[in-house]
Amino acid sequence: AQSVAQPEDQVNVAEGNPLTVKCTYSVSGNPYLFWYVQYPNRGLQFLLKYITGDNLVKGSYGFEAEFNKSQTSFHLKKPSALVSDSALYFCAVRPPRAAGNKLTFGGGTRVLVKP
Amino acid sequence: DAGVIQSPRHEVTEMGQEVTLRCKPISGHNSLFWYRQTMMRGLELLIYFNNNVPIDDSGMPEDRFSAKMPNASFSTLKIQPSEPRDSAVYFCASSPRTSGLGNEQFFGPGTRLTVL
Repeated sequence: AQSVAQPEDQVNVAEGNPLTVKCTYSVSGNPYLFWYVQYPNRGLQFLLKYITGDNLVKGSYGFEAEFNKSQTSFHLKKPSALVSDSALYFCAVRPPRAAGNKLTFGGGTRVLVKP
Repeated sequence: DAGVIQSPRHEVTEMGQEVTLRCKPISGHNSLFWYRQTMMRGLELLIYFNNNVPIDDSGMPEDRFSAKMPNASFSTLKIQPSEPRDSAVYFCASSPRTSGLGNEQFFGPGTRLTVL
């Protein structure tokens, strides 16, 4: 069975500093990997995904993520964090042969960017 | 496109009452998902449909919960009878037709349910 781990419940970073949100996964075969963001009182919004190809994926709002097969990781990064990036971030994985588009989500990491 | 539409946005009810949550997926999407989010348990997948057919309902907590998708543009999640521990935010999400690639899910704004 597939699983996703987000080892940090919360990440604190100063505005302007680099932001990293960690994600590791366990799945058979080549996974599809996703990052979502949830702002307060809102639904989840898609940020980016890795399907195949270049291991560095660029997404919305200046975020990027790097797929590392040997470390089974898909960490989310942003070179310079903004206060408005404060939100809850979810990593998700879909096994390549899963029916439909069912995703397995991690537990989420709360990001707090301080001015 | 208006995105995934959920109603009501907020629901307050008393224990024992029936609650019905509604979802209209994005037009043309053929997968629909119901999630529940709480502080204690995080984001949980309750059930999902492909082409209006339930594929996996293993996340439905108990028989008090039921979900239907009578057509491609409408789904309901019903709780009967409701209990205080059902209080949560319920999200509906939809996804385009699978074509061998990983299509992302699009989430609605959620329904915040409070059972007193």
